[in-house]
Amino acid sequence: DAKTTQPPSMDCAEGRAANLPCNHSTISGNEYVYWYRQIHSQGPQYIIHGLKNNETNEMASLIITEDRKSSTLILPHATLRDTAVYYCIVRDTDKLIFGTGTRLQVFP
Amino acid sequence: SAVISQKPSRDICQRGTSLTIQCQVDSQVTMMFWYRQQPGQSLTLIATANQGSEATYESGFVIDKFPISRPNLTFSTLTVSNMSPEDSSIYLCSVEDWDRGHYEQYFGPGTRLTVT
Repeated sequence: DAKTTQPPSMDCAEGRAANLPCNHSTISGNEYVYWYRQIHSQGPQYIIHGLKNNETNEMASLIITEDRKSSTLILPHATLRDTAVYYCIVRDTDKLIFGTGTRLQVFP
Repeated sequence: SAVISQKPSRDICQRGTSLTIQCQVDSQVTMMFWYRQQPGQSLTLIATANQGSEATYESGFVIDKFPISRPNLTFSTLTVSNMSPEDSSIYLCSVEDWDRGHYEQYFGPGTRLTVT
């Protein structure tokens, strides 16, 4: 079963930061937090991952709380092309177990 | 990064028949995965397929219904057997590859299956 809880949907204005929360209160010490997104009719796409430190790449930033029980994915300047379902995944083995995700709608 | 192709991209099949979905990767990979995504739902892992060994199925999925082959490090097939309308889904192939200092999972475009 998925170990994460995410809000089912969120809206964001184009050009603003999108902050997507994720709860993973049962995460254990060696489990990573991964974020993927799925744009309509496409396969999921990797965004970012982290263990306990905050991470940033060209797509997004990942903020993990000190107790690691929750995290936030930040898209700093959302565009219409960022409209997608975003999945937060706690990974402990080779497998990715997807939860229900957050449907992010970016509007003009 | 690994590039994955799937065939067919979509198909409409009659109940009781079987469909084999092909997954081709442009590089050699150890781990391959098959997922199912039912309409409006999230992805569900069907099985993990490693070359040279039997596929490992997740709870709720059995080999008789979803036989998998993994003949080499770049190719796999998933068969959906004795189909019913409940099997109408998108079936996605995924591989794990080392990229930018970490293992990353890449997904194919999916095969959209409709069973009538």
